[in-house]
This record gives sequence, C-alpha cells and structure tokens, in this order.
Amino acid sequence: DAKTTQPPSMDCAEGRAANLPCNHSTISGNEYVYWYRQIHSQGPQYIIHGLKNNETNEMASLIITEDRKSSTLILPHATLRDTAVYYCIVTTTGANSKLTFGKGITLSVRP
Amino acid sequence: DADVTQTPRNRITKTGKRIMLECSQTKGHDRMYWYRQDPGLGLRLIYYSFDVKDINKGEISDGYSVSRQAQAKFSLSLESAIPNQTALYFCATSDAVQMGHNEQFFGPGTRLTVL
Repeated sequence: DAKTTQPPSMDCAEGRAANLPCNHSTISGNEYVYWYRQIHSQGPQYIIHGLKNNETNEMASLIITEDRKSSTLILPHATLRDTAVYYCIVTTTGANSKLTFGKGITLSVRP
Repeated sequence: DADVTQTPRNRITKTGKRIMLECSQTKGHDRMYWYRQDPGLGLRLIYYSFDVKDINKGEISDGYSVSRQAQAKFSLSLESAIPNQTALYFCATSDAVQMGHNEQFFGPGTRLTVL
C-alpha cells in the first residue's frame, strides 16, 4: 500500500471549515484514499473514501487532486466534537486489503 | 460502535501471566482484526481473520496468538505478558469487500497494562 504523509497537527476555530491535507504521491491506480478519525482513544471511525472523484457525505467532503497524489478532507463547519486524530489511509479494496494507520493529524477545534 | 464489544475494557497484569482479550460482534461480518496502539502512534495490525478457518499474521504478531471460535468471536492471547505489550488494543470487523468499499468497524478498546 502507498505511504501517506500528514502534518502532525493543526487547529481551526469552531464553526469554520477544517481542511486536512494528505500527500500520497506513490498511490497506485487501484488504490483508494480512506479517512478515519479517532476521538480521544476511542476506536477509529470511518469518515469517507474515494478513488479519483470528489466525494461528499453527511460528515465531510473529500477532494482528490487530478493526479491523485494528494487529497484534502474538509469538515465544513467544525465543532468542538471534531477534535480528534484524523488518519489518511491509502489502500486497495481487493480480497486481501488491510488498513495501515500512520500517526495521523491531530485536529484541535478551538471555541 | 456498540455492535463490536471488547472484554475486559481495562486490565492490569504482571509479567509472565497469560492474558486473553475477547472480541464479539453482532454485525454478521466475516472479517475480524486485532490492532494495538501505543501512545502517540497509529494502530498496528497484530492478526486478522477472514473467516472461521482463516488466521493471518499482521505486522506485529510475535508474542501474540489468536483464536476465531465462531464468526462472531475473535480472541487475542498473550501467552506470557511482558511490559512492552502495555498498550491499547482494538478489535475491528468488516464485511467481505463489496462494491469497492472496505470499511472497518472498531470496538471501544481494551487498555492493558503489564507490570
């Protein structure tokens, strides 16, 4: 699976959009970009995933660059409850696919 | 996720003791996983199972063993616990990969301390 690079931390103001970047320059054509988050030592929670098109769900939007070498997770209106570690993971969805977690990015939402 | 439960939630034990961590799921998923997380680090895969008869080593399987007693249950054992196995342990499940999606559902974690 391709490796991902994320900044260690960032913060944003409550109510503002949080834009979390991720680099995955070695991504292969059959690899998806997944985002999970972990709130204070709880089990990680799936947020969103995509292959090459931008995706949006009730939690977030995922913007993938045209060359697929980087992506941005957008939380449109961050709340204090969005304070968490966010993991960007690149993986296939084949029969033996697994998730490889890096250190993630710690998002702190300030009041 | 309440559909994936782990017992115990916290455990303190001594070096050399045998410990079993248990995971149960009501999601009907075929696939189950055990991860450990050390402070400040991401999760690392210990073992995984794609069905009852299937056991696979993950990234860090040394010192651990697993048992998949039924589709719904996946146990992790430390035969002789050592202090550097002190960590937060997570169980996860997923459905067989369908429609290009591989979402894992995590339990609440077991905090294990080995003295």
